[in-house]
Amino acid sequence: DTAVSQTPKYLVTQMGNDKSIKCEQNLGHDTMYWYKQDSKKFLKIMFSYNNKELIINETVPNRFSPKSPDKAHLNLHINSLELGDSAVYFCASSLSGGETQYFGPGTRLLVL
Amino acid sequence: AQTVTQSQPEMSVQEAETVTLSCTYDTSESDYYLFWYKQPPSRQMILVIRQEAYKQQNATENRFSVNFQKAAKSFSLKISDSQLGDAAMYFCAFVAKYALNFGKGTSLLVTP
Repeated sequence: DTAVSQTPKYLVTQMGNDKSIKCEQNLGHDTMYWYKQDSKKFLKIMFSYNNKELIINETVPNRFSPKSPDKAHLNLHINSLELGDSAVYFCASSLSGGETQYFGPGTRLLVL
Repeated sequence: AQTVTQSQPEMSVQEAETVTLSCTYDTSESDYYLFWYKQPPSRQMILVIRQEAYKQQNATENRFSVNFQKAAKSFSLKISDSQLGDAAMYFCAFVAKYALNFGKGTSLLVTP
């Protein structure tokens, strides 16, 4: 059973397009996250939701919009994609803030 | 500001030998958790070990153990009896409330 899943695993698209990445967890966790891993492998928090409520919104362009339809899902929508958005995006979940976070397999986004 | 520093970009160890990866962090929080995550070439983020700051006893998971020095804000990872499968990028991370703050990672090479 997959604990945290993301779709798609790979995404290749043109500049200016809009795309979404979906994340689902079946661990019964209350808190979900989006992280971005850049080309130098540095991981940085983008967003965090607790019980469908946005609790962390780091300095991320407005083109990125998270949506949490329920506690088990956290999607990431990106408008007007730019070359600099190319990265690996990880979804994660935890029982609550501060607890161990479990990661999805990552989505490698390439903007051409 | 909460920061995590991994001063060794790359480390190398021979199979069956022991290696220690360094990590220091800076925080004003009194209650927090520390983690080591492993990222093999598959890019999956895998939890290696976790330490609660309020616990004085160092965490251990099979061949993996930590040396947690709270006053020095140091959290090193020791890998004993290294195996080829241990080759990966290792990230030290810290969480006080929600978001994980990651170090830049240490790339571990295991040689036969």
